[in-house]
Amino acid sequence: TQLLKQSPQFLSIQEGENLTVYCNSSSVFSSLQWYRQEPGEGPVLLVTVVTGGEVKKLKRLTFQFGDARKDSSLHITAAQPGDTGLYLCAGARAGNNRKLIWGLGTSLAVNP
Amino acid sequence: DADVTQTPRNRITKTGKRIMLECSQTKGHDRMYWYRQDPGLGLRLIYYSFDVKDINKGEISDGYSVSRQAQAKFSLSLESAIPNQTALYFCATSEPKTGGDADEQFFGPGTRLTVL
Repeated sequence: TQLLKQSPQFLSIQEGENLTVYCNSSSVFSSLQWYRQEPGEGPVLLVTVVTGGEVKKLKRLTFQFGDARKDSSLHITAAQPGDTGLYLCAGARAGNNRKLIWGLGTSLAVNP
Repeated sequence: DADVTQTPRNRITKTGKRIMLECSQTKGHDRMYWYRQDPGLGLRLIYYSFDVKDINKGEISDGYSVSRQAQAKFSLSLESAIPNQTALYFCATSEPKTGGDADEQFFGPGTRLTVL
């Protein structure tokens, strides 16, 4: 059973388009992180959201944590080829000794 | 220079061989982790260590062992490699944060292991 479900699994779009990827769970998380992984490299943290309803922006990327802290979304405006990569969400649960629970990822390809 | 390094970057071996993957970090973090990444299965935690004397099994530790030689070094061993251990292996480090925030994990570049 996958505690964190990411959708879509794959996404291929043209440069300049907008997109949203989702990270959903039936469990509550104390915080949720988004990482991006490029081919041949390890994941790199983009953002951590902690408060229900929180919205964080990182240039063209907007991250939202659901009010109930069970889900999150990542919206990219005017996608560029440099946004290509695997986007992973990871959640921390209280009492889980700070171990992260990982989603399977959304593989994004932005075509020029 | 990279903060988290892994050696080797690629390895091909045969079933039954003993393999060691090494991880070194210059970030000064106490916490270190070993993950494997497989298509369709995502990142899965093998072992983690919160300091030199504290080592814990993750969700898929069978067939693996680890050694924390120093704060900066954390090695993963496959005592007798089997084909379904073919995967991309990542080492990561973190430093605990106060409050509800999860630690930010810093990953190495990965080791691609193929067991024939």
